[in-house]
Amino acid sequence: GAVVSQHPSRVICKSGTSVKIECRSLDFQATTMFWYRQFPKKSLMLMATSNEGSKATYEQGVEKDKFLINHASLTLSTLTVTSAHPEDSSFYICSAPSYHSYNEQFFGPGTRLTVL
Amino acid sequence: QQQVKQSPQSLIVQKGGISIINCAYENTAFDYFPWYQQFPGKGPALLIAIRPDVSEKKEGRFTISFNKSAKQFSLHIMDSQPGDSATYFCAASDGGGFKTIFGAGTRLFVKA
Repeated sequence: GAVVSQHPSRVICKSGTSVKIECRSLDFQATTMFWYRQFPKKSLMLMATSNEGSKATYEQGVEKDKFLINHASLTLSTLTVTSAHPEDSSFYICSAPSYHSYNEQFFGPGTRLTVL
Repeated sequence: QQQVKQSPQSLIVQKGGISIINCAYENTAFDYFPWYQQFPGKGPALLIAIRPDVSEKKEGRFTISFNKSAKQFSLHIMDSQPGDSATYFCAASDGGGFKTIFGAGTRLFVKA
């Protein structure tokens, strides 16, 4: 199956700093990628849809100025958590649909963000 | 409605038993219903998926049953093994935007 990678897998930062998380589709092109947030023992909450070459679409309640998304190429989307605060600590997961397998989403391994 | 409701929240099954997890949806535009397995600290991995034009799909020990009229679908894990202990999420998406909506998750523990 298709592979999606994320980098870094873990990051610890100080409050007030910005953190960038990368999501790459390794063996397929993805014009669309999705970013999810997952709190401990909770479900995945869709944050935004990342669109190559255009602005991301954010879900209701997600601050677009807080969570900056850039889909720079057909294989790379980045999520930048700006001015991070402890409440931003979470597990961030990206996914990309494979157009070879209709609707099927391939998920990255996730990034654990801890804001001190 | 975009919600996907999942039950139970947690499940304990003896080794060799059958694990059953249920989900219900409201949006009739959904046309793809995957189940994901997630281990702690890892991203979710696709386990099995079904489209609404079939009522059942089986892959190894995993079976999805789908009831279109009731807007319900369920995952059955036959001969459950300790290695199956994980969190399982049902999900639904529509073909238009590929946006996937997840259920709340079920933490399965299989006792040896």
